[in-house]
Amino acid sequence: DSGVTQTPKHLITATGQRVTLRCSPRSGDLSVYWYQQSLDQGLQFLIQYYNGEERAKGNILERFSAQQFPDLHSELNLSSLELGDSALYFCASSPTGQQNTEAFFGQGTRLTVV
Amino acid sequence: GNSVTQMEGPVTLSEEAFLTINCTYTATGYPSLFWYVQYPGEGLQLLLKATKADDKGSNKGFEATYRKETTSFHLEKGSVQVSDSAVYFCALSDRGSGGSNYKLTFGKGTLLTVNP
Repeated sequence: DSGVTQTPKHLITATGQRVTLRCSPRSGDLSVYWYQQSLDQGLQFLIQYYNGEERAKGNILERFSAQQFPDLHSELNLSSLELGDSALYFCASSPTGQQNTEAFFGQGTRLTVV
Repeated sequence: GNSVTQMEGPVTLSEEAFLTINCTYTATGYPSLFWYVQYPGEGLQLLLKATKADDKGSNKGFEATYRKETTSFHLEKGSVQVSDSAVYFCALSDRGSGGSNYKLTFGKGTLLTVNP
């Protein structure tokens, strides 16, 4: 158990809908990362938050947004969903977001858009 | 930008065989390098890491050496077990703008299957 909790584990929704994925980082970790894992693209970095502030953006679509709350949990909002958004979404956390520190991953949320 | 290229596999070995999974990277500056492992139905777990040139990371019989001259971080294990069957990801930690924002850039992963 990494200490990172993601909910829900599975989500099935229709095209055009909006969903929210939730992540609770390890106790004390200030940095949260979101990744998307798909068969064709592999693991793609979406966005990073550090202590409530956005710090880095990767290949995140405009239809997607995220935030980190004062209690350090984070949410990833996906809207106007398309079939191609079906993927495994991982949250990871690290104590400081520094270069040498490992990131601890949750078990992921599997999103299926039908 | 920074990138990681790893042997895509799949790789199928018999128990006790020698394993090598190749990983090369492109990066500006001096990234830290990692191997993560993903068992079926689970998230990624750190297997080992190296933070500077010539460092060797090791864990559970796996080893990888940070080779700056060849920009490589190949994963090796002398004798694999069935329980090593998983997907292995090579990654580097590279910096965006500002501080406290190192992010991991992953290779595409290599599926390893070890047969008894």
